[in-house]
Amino acid sequence: KQEVTQIPAALSVPEGENLVLNCSFTDSAIYNLQWFRQDPGKGLTSLLLIQSSQREQTSGRLNASLDKSSGRSTLYIAASQPGDSATYLCAVAPDSWGKLQFGAGTQVVVTP
Amino acid sequence: EAGVAQSPRYKIIEKRQSVAFWCNPISGHATLYWYQQILGQGPKLLIQFQNNGVVDDSQLPKDRFSAERLKGVDSTLKIQPAKLEDSAVYLCASSLELTYFFGQGTRLTVV
Repeated sequence: KQEVTQIPAALSVPEGENLVLNCSFTDSAIYNLQWFRQDPGKGLTSLLLIQSSQREQTSGRLNASLDKSSGRSTLYIAASQPGDSATYLCAVAPDSWGKLQFGAGTQVVVTP
Repeated sequence: EAGVAQSPRYKIIEKRQSVAFWCNPISGHATLYWYQQILGQGPKLLIQFQNNGVVDDSQLPKDRFSAERLKGVDSTLKIQPAKLEDSAVYLCASSLELTYFFGQGTRLTVV
């Protein structure tokens, strides 16, 4: 059974510092991995999608890496801003049908 | 482009009552999902539709939960009767080529 873990559960950093968020999964047979952002009282917003054949994906200040063999993904956010404060969730898809299994998320606070 | 619409935003009911949630996905999105997110946890898939057919409902508590997708567009999720442990945010999402779009969710409190 696939298990997705995100450590730490919460993180606080000063503005300008780089953020490093970790995600681990137990079954390396994944189709893709996605990172989402969730703001309080709102739904999830897709940030990055990494196919199983890819090693990393970049969008602006965000960079996500994937190491399937070790069951790990890392989300890097460069030069953090207070607007980056949110909960970040990773999710893995076991196949092409789209079903996702989520971690519990890392709550990030960026202080001015 | 309009997003995924859900209603109501909030609902408080007593245990053993019934409740229904509504979702209107993004136009043209064939795949629709209902997820349950309990406080402090990640979302858990309840049911996945492809057009108006069910792809996966393996984690749907079928003794109390039901869902349908009318004409492959709108969807409703019903709980009857509700239990205290059903208190959660119910998220609807639709996808196109594996890009997900989530609604704002319905926060259900069962007292």
